[in-house]
Amino acid sequence: AQSVTQPDIHITVSEGASLELRCNYSYGATPYLFWYVQSPGQGLQLLLKYFSGDTLVQGIKGFEAEFKRSQSSFNLRKPSVHWSDAAEYFCAVGGGNNRKLIWGLGTSLAVNP
Amino acid sequence: DAGVTQSPTHLIKTRGQQVTLRCSPKSGHDTVSWYQQALGQGPQFIFQYYEEEERQRGNFPDRFSGHQFPNYSSELNVNALLLGDSALYLCASSWTGGFTEAFFGQGTRLTVV
Repeated sequence: AQSVTQPDIHITVSEGASLELRCNYSYGATPYLFWYVQSPGQGLQLLLKYFSGDTLVQGIKGFEAEFKRSQSSFNLRKPSVHWSDAAEYFCAVGGGNNRKLIWGLGTSLAVNP
Repeated sequence: DAGVTQSPTHLIKTRGQQVTLRCSPKSGHDTVSWYQQALGQGPQFIFQYYEEEERQRGNFPDRFSGHQFPNYSSELNVNALLLGDSALYLCASSWTGGFTEAFFGQGTRLTVV
């Protein structure tokens, strides 16, 4: 079965602290992996993507993610969180003959001042 | 570049009515996908249009239908609205030359009363 699991529904961090959001996937074909961010009532903005090559990918807003095939994971990291990073974060997988994206349920990030 | 634009931004309909949502893709994109995002959930794939045809469909009833026009813009139609159809409807555009990332509009918030 194709699925994406984001184990953490809600995370709270202090401003300036480091952040790691977890994402695990199950996918039959070579996965293309994405992280999107959604602010309240807004659409989805792409943070970064992994298609192939270097397993550590850099994205916008200082985010990075590491693809670990052996663990079926694609965790999102940021060394120092800013208050403006508070939002909902979604991990998604696609690829192969499947044109749609399969999404996790999201992780809600709150940032304490 | 105007990005992906959706209209209207908000809509209130009564059960049993019909609704049409509209999407204009990002410049240079030829593929449009529609997603439904219920409150607190990740997006669920409805269908994808390419070359004015439905190319792939998710697990949604026939009440959900769509159309793509020669200029690549798209409509999502929902008939016989149910309370459970209340959600944020997201349009994503992409380029069909290989699997690429999807760019999302701000969404249409549909409320069925």
